[in-house]
Amino acid sequence: GNSVTQMEGPVTLSEEAFLTINCTYTATGYPSLFWYVQYPGEGLQLLLKATKADDKGSNKGFEATYRKETTSFHLEKGSVQVSDSAVYFCALRTTSGTYKYIFGTGTRLKVLA
Amino acid sequence: DGGITQSPKYLFRKEGQNVTLSCEQNLNHDAMYWYRQDPGQGLRLIYYSQIVNDFQKGDIAEGYSVSREKKESFPLTVTSAQKNPTAFYLCASSIGTVYEQYFGPGTRLTVT
Repeated sequence: GNSVTQMEGPVTLSEEAFLTINCTYTATGYPSLFWYVQYPGEGLQLLLKATKADDKGSNKGFEATYRKETTSFHLEKGSVQVSDSAVYFCALRTTSGTYKYIFGTGTRLKVLA
Repeated sequence: DGGITQSPKYLFRKEGQNVTLSCEQNLNHDAMYWYRQDPGQGLRLIYYSQIVNDFQKGDIAEGYSVSREKKESFPLTVTSAQKNPTAFYLCASSIGTVYEQYFGPGTRLTVT
């Protein structure tokens, strides 16, 4: 079946450190891939997306590349800020049959000043 | 400004009572969704609707009901049959089911 696996958190970094949050997926066909961010007590916000292999999604200094050969969509940022502290969700949308979004369990990021 | 509103932000109910969570969008989106979020877990789909007057069960529909009488509104009722209703509930919408979803701020429901 379809699934999304994210690295377990929490991830704690110092300000200006490099961030990687791993995400791998299992899906039939060619899913679209997404990263969402959730700040405390709020809903999810779309951070970036990629709809086909080798696409790179980017936004606010974050980026992720759709790697079909490794079924991965790792989130990276070169220099994190305290304001990046949040929970990050990787998700896929299947392209076969009816719509289906699958979310990972989320990775909490804490950035220390 | 276009967006999705959910009200109230916090809701408290006694066990055995039905409760309705509101979700309104002014994005002119056709599709709307309800998710449940529990600590340390991903989002689980309760119900979704692709068009007015039509909706389908998601992965965990038991104990919930919805209606879609207007394009902009998709209320969720948590019934007394839901065994563990305390959770954070998120509403989302999209232009269509093949497009990315946009989320509301959520309603935290506590049932005691």
